[in-house]
Amino acid sequence: GAVVSQHPSRVICKSGTSVKIECRSLDFQATTMFWYRQFPKQSLMLMATSNEGSKATYEQGVEKDKFLINHASLTLSTLTVTSAHPEDSSFYICSATLVDTQYFGPGTRLTVL
Amino acid sequence: GDSVTQMEGPVTLSEEAFLTINCTYTATGYPSLFWYVQYPGEGLQLLLKATKADDKGSNKGFEATYRKETTSFHLEKGSVQVSDSAVYFCALSDRYTGANSKLTFGKGITLSVRP
Repeated sequence: GAVVSQHPSRVICKSGTSVKIECRSLDFQATTMFWYRQFPKQSLMLMATSNEGSKATYEQGVEKDKFLINHASLTLSTLTVTSAHPEDSSFYICSATLVDTQYFGPGTRLTVL
Repeated sequence: GDSVTQMEGPVTLSEEAFLTINCTYTATGYPSLFWYVQYPGEGLQLLLKATKADDKGSNKGFEATYRKETTSFHLEKGSVQVSDSAVYFCALSDRYTGANSKLTFGKGITLSVRP
């Protein structure tokens, strides 16, 4: 139980394009999902908290106009990286909360050329 | 604010060796404590958790006990396997904010187990 999926697992795009990443809770409903970014050999950096039906709460220093988050249903949250640039290349991981525990997706490797 | 401190790594062990990974925390109130494991190229998997003092979390031979008096949540395993090679993260969350509780992570430690 408590399975979270992400799609795509890998994406390569050209600089200036937008990329959408989906995060789904497969066997439970999640009113809250989180989006993280992870750099090589480092811990996770929280980008934003996503609540179903309301605007996401972004961490300090995260550009909300660049990283658009939508949480339209209890099982789906999306992160759109707009006008991506090479510095946005990273490993993006989502999590969904069930009761008091966060369950993580497998991550999406974004490479911007 | 809340913080989690993990011992410095990496750690390299021989198969069947005993494992201890230290984790201490600083928090206001009474947090829930977690160990997550990350295999190469993957997301994090919940390994075990404890929600109150003296609770012991256990899974796949790993154990950790919530020690309020020493503010610690050390991870142990009696006999490691090559398949345990991964990055291990200690984390805490503030139970009072419910589903919106953010996780505070330690830096993570890489464990390599050689045959």
